[in-house]
Amino acid sequence: AQSVAQPEDQVNVAEGNPLTVKCTYSVSGNPYLFWYVQYPNRGLQFLLKYITGDNLVKGSYGFEAEFNKSQTSFHLKKPSALVSDSALYFCAVSVNQAGTALIFGKGTTLSVSS
Amino acid sequence: GAVVSQHPSWVICKSGTSVKIECRSLDFQATTMFWYRQFPKQSLMLMATSNEGSKATYEQGVEKDKFLINHASLTLSTLTVTSAHPEDSSFYICSARDQGKAGTGELFFGEGSRLTVL
Repeated sequence: AQSVAQPEDQVNVAEGNPLTVKCTYSVSGNPYLFWYVQYPNRGLQFLLKYITGDNLVKGSYGFEAEFNKSQTSFHLKKPSALVSDSALYFCAVSVNQAGTALIFGKGTTLSVSS
Repeated sequence: GAVVSQHPSWVICKSGTSVKIECRSLDFQATTMFWYRQFPKQSLMLMATSNEGSKATYEQGVEKDKFLINHASLTLSTLTVTSAHPEDSSFYICSARDQGKAGTGELFFGEGSRLTVL
């Protein structure tokens, strides 16, 4: 069975500092990994995904994530945080099977202070 | 990118009534759509997988008679919460996979529908 773990409920960083939101996964087979962001009372916005290829994936709004197969991790990073990055972030995993849903982590609230 | 539309975005109803939420893929066809439920400050929990032209597949613990799902066309799935009670109040989010890009695994999400049952 697929599962995703986001060990931190909340991450606090100061504006301009680098940020990392952690994610580890468990899946049988090759994983498809995603990061989504959610603002209050809104749906999910896609940030980036790893399907295959380069382990370092670059996405929207300056975010990037590194796929580490040996550590089964897919941590989200940004070199310089903005106050507007404050939101709820979800890591999700799927497998290459038609009709397979994404399974989400519990979410991590990112708070960037000015 | 692909667009998924949900309607209504917010609905308030009395206990005992039924509420229908629509999920439409606007610029692609989706043989499969997924319905998630999200409680405040919690993750998205998969409720069911909606398959065009066939019965939905429900996750363990989800009452299929309570949450009726119909996927009548390649662009529309509906979730009906029957005889709603206050504990059904939640944020319901649908998602769909572009069947032309199924190999990417990516899902496109609607904006969500907030249900409040009084």
